[in-house]
Amino acid sequence: AQSVTQPDIHITVSEGASLELRCNYSYGATPYLFWYVQSPGQGLQLLLKYFSGDTLVQGIKGFEAEFKRSQSSFNLRKPSVHWSDAAEYFCAVGEGQNFVFGPGTRLSVLP
Amino acid sequence: GAVVSQHPSRVICKSGTSVKIECRSLDFQATTMFWYRQFPKQSLMLMATSNEGSKATYEQGVEKDKFLINHASLTLSTLTVTSAHPEDSSFYICSARDRQTPSYNEQFFGPGTRLTVL
Repeated sequence: AQSVTQPDIHITVSEGASLELRCNYSYGATPYLFWYVQSPGQGLQLLLKYFSGDTLVQGIKGFEAEFKRSQSSFNLRKPSVHWSDAAEYFCAVGEGQNFVFGPGTRLSVLP
Repeated sequence: GAVVSQHPSRVICKSGTSVKIECRSLDFQATTMFWYRQFPKQSLMLMATSNEGSKATYEQGVEKDKFLINHASLTLSTLTVTSAHPEDSSFYICSARDRQTPSYNEQFFGPGTRLTVL
C-alpha cells in the first residue's frame, strides 16, 4: 500500500539554526513529491515540488528539498530558520489519481 | 495562476441542519476536484474525488449520503454536509487539478472551511 511517513511529530529549533524535516514514501515508481506548510487555521501553501530532473529542488521562503531514490526520501531543509517558519509541515506524494499526505511535522521555533 | 477559493471560510450551524461548501477554481478549468477533511492536529484525509459531470468517488468509510458532492461545471464543486452533527465539525479543504497539466498530478488547494456544529 502507498504510504508517506514523517518520522518526527514535533521538532523544536532555535531561530537561526538549520532545519531538516524528514519524509519517506513507499511507492513502486518515482512519484511526484510535494512539501506544504500550514499555519494554524489556514490552508496549505506549496513550498516546493519535485517531478523529475535535478534531485535538489529549490522552493519558496528559502526552503529546499532533496529527492533520494535509494532511500525513498524527500527531506526538506532550510539553512537558517526564522520565527515565522513555525507551522505544520506536510509531505505529500502524488501518483496517478492518488495524492497521499504524511502525518505532518509541527515545527516550533525558539527565540 | 492556479487559484482555488472556498466559501464560506468559516461556518457555525446547529445540529441537524445542512451546510453547503463551495470550491471554485478561479483561473483554470478543473476536471477533477478533491475534498479533504482535517481534524485538529491531524493530517488531511481524502474524502472523495469529484469529476465534472459524473458522480463522485468516495473513500472507504465516508458516507456518500451524508457528504453530498456536486461537480456541475469545470470551475465549481460543492460539498453539502447533510444533517450535520457535532462530530462533523472539522476543517474541510478542497483541491483541484488543472486539466491543462494532468500529467503532473499536482493539486491546487483552497484555503479551507472551518465547520463547527453546535
